[in-house]
Amino acid sequence: EVQLVESGGGLVQPGRSLKLSCAASGFTFSNYGMAWVRQAPTKGLEWVATISYDGSSTYYRDSVKGRFTISRDNAKSTLYLQMDSLRSEDTATYYCARQRALYGGYFDYWGQGVMVTVSS
Amino acid sequence: DTVLTQSPALAVSPGERVTISCRASESVSTGMHWYQQKPGQQPKLLIYGASNLESGVPARFSGSGSGTDFTLTIDPVEADDTATYFCQQSWNEYTFGAGTKLELK
Repeated sequence: EVQLVESGGGLVQPGRSLKLSCAASGFTFSNYGMAWVRQAPTKGLEWVATISYDGSSTYYRDSVKGRFTISRDNAKSTLYLQMDSLRSEDTATYYCARQRALYGGYFDYWGQGVMVTVSS
Repeated sequence: DTVLTQSPALAVSPGERVTISCRASESVSTGMHWYQQKPGQQPKLLIYGASNLESGVPARFSGSGSGTDFTLTIDPVEADDTATYFCQQSWNEYTFGAGTKLELK
């Protein structure tokens, strides 16, 4: 059974940093691209970043470029999101998702999500 | 950005057929996918590539369309289908529609 378990969320002040982790199990982690998708309270879904299966390629939405870094450790089957210079608009539930490359890319398994609140 | 437009809400009776639409601001070919999200839960993939049913998803769900106009159909609707449905395109990065909240009468 595919499982994705996020951790590392919490309350953080604007301008500070936070690092999210996502522990994967039930599939060969190193064979799949992975992504972070967020959802602000009572809002829709917003893609944040994607990393290729081997970590050699990364992609970000414009609003987080230069502030967020996606990475992975295939030996530990773990995905990360380093978030720096956090802003109030980054407040959201962050989901880790497995990404399939067919048809340009979609997300076939999602974690339960972790809440990040940016507030003073 | 490719903007996806969905109607905000629908209300149907169990046993009926419901169609949920998603219109893209530019052609996305068949790079359209559908998700179901119930309150307090993570999204669940239903349809990928506009019309391909994800493994394990009931055959009551189907998808159609290409280019800019897409439809998710549930037939027949069951009480458990109460949820918000999101479309997502993958032709130009990745964007999601704002979601259609499906309620049962």
